[in-house]
Amino acid sequence: AQSVAQPEDQVNVAEGNPLTVKCTYSVSGNPYLFWYVQYPNRGLQFLLKYITGDNLVKGSYGFEAEFNKSQTSFHLKKPSALVSDSALYFCAVRDAGGSYIPTFGRGTSLIVHP
Amino acid sequence: EPEVTQTPSHQVTQMGQEVILRCVPISNHLYFYWYRQILGQKVEFLVSFYNNEISEKSEIFDDQFSVERPDGSNFTLKIRSTKLEDSAMYFCASSEAGERPYEQYFGPGTRLTVT
Repeated sequence: AQSVAQPEDQVNVAEGNPLTVKCTYSVSGNPYLFWYVQYPNRGLQFLLKYITGDNLVKGSYGFEAEFNKSQTSFHLKKPSALVSDSALYFCAVRDAGGSYIPTFGRGTSLIVHP
Repeated sequence: EPEVTQTPSHQVTQMGQEVILRCVPISNHLYFYWYRQILGQKVEFLVSFYNNEISEKSEIFDDQFSVERPDGSNFTLKIRSTKLEDSAMYFCASSEAGERPYEQYFGPGTRLTVT
């Protein structure tokens, strides 16, 4: 079975400060990990993914995520937050050797204050 | 940039009625999916579709649900007899392939309200 946890319902950060949105996962085999963002009244938009290789993955809009196998985490980060980054962020995981359907987390609401 | 589209954006229906939610996936994509998101809860997988048949479905996708690709562009989700608990946001998604870890592209969703 595969699962993903986003321990924070909401993250608040001031514009210009670094941000982190946390994600931990559980899979039987090797993980494929994804981050998506959802703006109001829009569908989920793909940000980045980890498949293999370098643990630091860079994605859209200046976001990056670090894969940590020992901590089974895939936290989303950005060095300097923008007000326009305010949105709902979803982490998702797939077992590389299992179903190709990802399991999504509950989502974390990121609020960036001016 | 190509995108997934969904219609309608909001559907209100009475309990027991049939609804059809429509999606137009990205044209060169081969896998299609339906997800739902009950307000405040996680995004839940319903069904995936490839080569004109269901390839995987969740326990949520019972006999009340069906999917169809009636032509070369549309992908539909039908709920035969809606229940109050079917009220949710329904997202369609598509991807280039399934086994490789291609990201999924999501539509804007249809908000279904069952009264």
